[in-house]
Amino acid sequence: KNQVEQSPQSLIILEGKNCTLQCNYTVSPFSNLRWYKQDTGRGPVSLTIMTFSENTKSNGRYTATLDADTKQSSLHITASQLSDSASYICVVSAANYGGSQGNLIFGKGTKLSVKP
Amino acid sequence: DSGVTQTPKHLITATGQRVTLRCSPRSGDLSVYWYQQSLDQGLQFLIQYYNGEERAKGNILERFSAQQFPDLHSELNLSSLELGDSALYFCASSVEGAPPYNEQFFGPGTRLTVL
Repeated sequence: KNQVEQSPQSLIILEGKNCTLQCNYTVSPFSNLRWYKQDTGRGPVSLTIMTFSENTKSNGRYTATLDADTKQSSLHITASQLSDSASYICVVSAANYGGSQGNLIFGKGTKLSVKP
Repeated sequence: DSGVTQTPKHLITATGQRVTLRCSPRSGDLSVYWYQQSLDQGLQFLIQYYNGEERAKGNILERFSAQQFPDLHSELNLSSLELGDSALYFCASSVEGAPPYNEQFFGPGTRLTVL
């Protein structure tokens, strides 16, 4: 069964500290993996998208890594800011079939709280 | 601002009623996706339309239906509402229906409360 598991469920860190969020998946055949940031009550915003051949991708203070062999991804946030407080969602896409959205499987997210 | 608009922002209704949620995709995007997010749950894919035609179906209940109009805006119709239908409903759009690498841009959501 295609699944995406994220850990931890929630995390509290102090402003300025770094943190790493984890994503494990059992999606096959794999197409790509995305990380989204979702502020409370708002729509998700894409941070990174990685295909099978990419093992790291950065977007400012956000760096995502992908190990397709172990089916694991991580999102590292450097020098956290109060505005980083949000849910971070890992989404894995199975290979595309005939033009459909390719079956996006969403994790439940990690809720990050950054405290001053 | 993603460029995707959704109306209304909030909707409060009673069980058994029917509501319509509306979504306007980003200019130039042909694909529209609908998602449901219940409290403390992950996003659940409901349905995708591409240029007016249904492209993919997810966990959409038979009481729910959607369509995409010639001007590419989409509506999600929810009928015989139950308490468990209370959730945030998001619309997303992308340039094309395939491949899935195409980035999806999410709207601000409609919060539906069924009393």
